[in-house]
Amino acid sequence: AQSVAQPEDQVNVAEGNPLTVKCTYSVSGNPYLFWYVQYPNRGLQFLLKYITGDNLVKGSYGFEAEFNKSQTSFHLKKPSALVSDSALYFCAVRSRGFQKLVFGTGTRLLVSP
Amino acid sequence: DGGITQSPKYLFRKEGQNVTLSCEQNLNHDAMYWYRQDPGQGLRLIYYSQIVNDFQKGDIAEGYSVSREKKESFPLTVTSAQKNPTAFYLCASNSMRGSQDTQYFGPGTRLTVL
Repeated sequence: AQSVAQPEDQVNVAEGNPLTVKCTYSVSGNPYLFWYVQYPNRGLQFLLKYITGDNLVKGSYGFEAEFNKSQTSFHLKKPSALVSDSALYFCAVRSRGFQKLVFGTGTRLLVSP
Repeated sequence: DGGITQSPKYLFRKEGQNVTLSCEQNLNHDAMYWYRQDPGQGLRLIYYSQIVNDFQKGDIAEGYSVSREKKESFPLTVTSAQKNPTAFYLCASNSMRGSQDTQYFGPGTRLTVL
């Protein structure tokens, strides 16, 4: 069975500081891993994905994520947070050859000025 | 939100009524999905379809029905059998070819039962 855990309901960070949003996963075989962002009353926007290759993945809006197979983690990071980064972030996983995505419960990121 | 449209944006329903939510995509994607989002629960899969005229139940299909008569369209009907239909509904699609396997989402429909 596939599962995703986002252990923090909310992350608070000051503008200009680095941010990390945590994600751990469980999947049979090699994982496909995704991060999405959601602004209020909007659909999910794709940020980045890990399929294979380099463990550090760069995505939209300056975000990046590091795939760590031994720790089964895929944490989202950004070197310098912006107030406009405040939103709800979802991590998702699926195994190769399987089309169903499993989502975490989401982490609300609040960036203060 | 790209080439996926959902309508209406807001929908109000009286108890006992069926309602249909529209989802259309112009991305030539093979697969389409319906999710339900409730606060603190993330996204839960209702139904998905990988090809025209075929669809499969997701994790919470009870009280919902779908059809896939055209590649571009995947409407969701919320029936009166759905006990707690008030939620935010998201449609998604993806190509099933090679590395183009990212799911992209529509803007959502917020359904409120009065």
